[in-house]
Amino acid sequence: QKEVEQDPGPLSVPEGAIVSLNCTYSNSAFQYFMWYRQYSRKGPELLMYTYSSGNKEDGRFTAQVDKSSKYISLFIRDSQPSDSATYLCAMSKGGSGGSNYKLTFGKGTLLTVNP
Amino acid sequence: GAVVSQHPSRVICKSGTSVKIECRSLDFQATTMFWYRQFPKKSLMLMATSNEGSKATYEQGVEKDKFLINHASLTLSTLTVTSAHPEDSSFYICSANRGLAGPANEQFFGPGTRLTVL
Repeated sequence: QKEVEQDPGPLSVPEGAIVSLNCTYSNSAFQYFMWYRQYSRKGPELLMYTYSSGNKEDGRFTAQVDKSSKYISLFIRDSQPSDSATYLCAMSKGGSGGSNYKLTFGKGTLLTVNP
Repeated sequence: GAVVSQHPSRVICKSGTSVKIECRSLDFQATTMFWYRQFPKKSLMLMATSNEGSKATYEQGVEKDKFLINHASLTLSTLTVTSAHPEDSSFYICSANRGLAGPANEQFFGPGTRLTVL
């Protein structure tokens, strides 16, 4: 079993739809959870950052973490064509210094929002 | 804030030559930088972790003599692909962590460098 599992999609939705993206993980040591957006041929852009369980909202984006189920989600409300990109979940164990900051990524989900 | 740049954005070289890629944190000091490699339609593969002033820590299977990493200052890390071969062609991306200056484990990525070895 891989440490982080993410459905690669592709996922295609109409403009205005609510998008739900998910990742599961197996390592209970993960404490920090992130979602990145990556446009084609560009570096990943940090969207959401969450520590431990709970919800976090930022504009049209909501991140949820359920550590008991080892499950994280990203919701995008009122999706726009400009949201079309690959979304990567990432997580790390925490602690200070160097390799403790290492991220473990999911494979990424390719999202297309159709106008 | 938290901007990371990479240079060059694209490089084409002949087989056997060496290529240096620079990664800079523009508005913060990066205690730790990371180098990734990404193949088309694949996720990021961590190559090495770089701490300022010390040797890089390479992931299993990454040749440290082929991929030389230097982190000489808190704002600059370099990756040198030595004696490049066509199989080294890839998208190389760096990231930087602000350490105690920001939320732990928050990494900011550069725009990437596309390397093509002929």
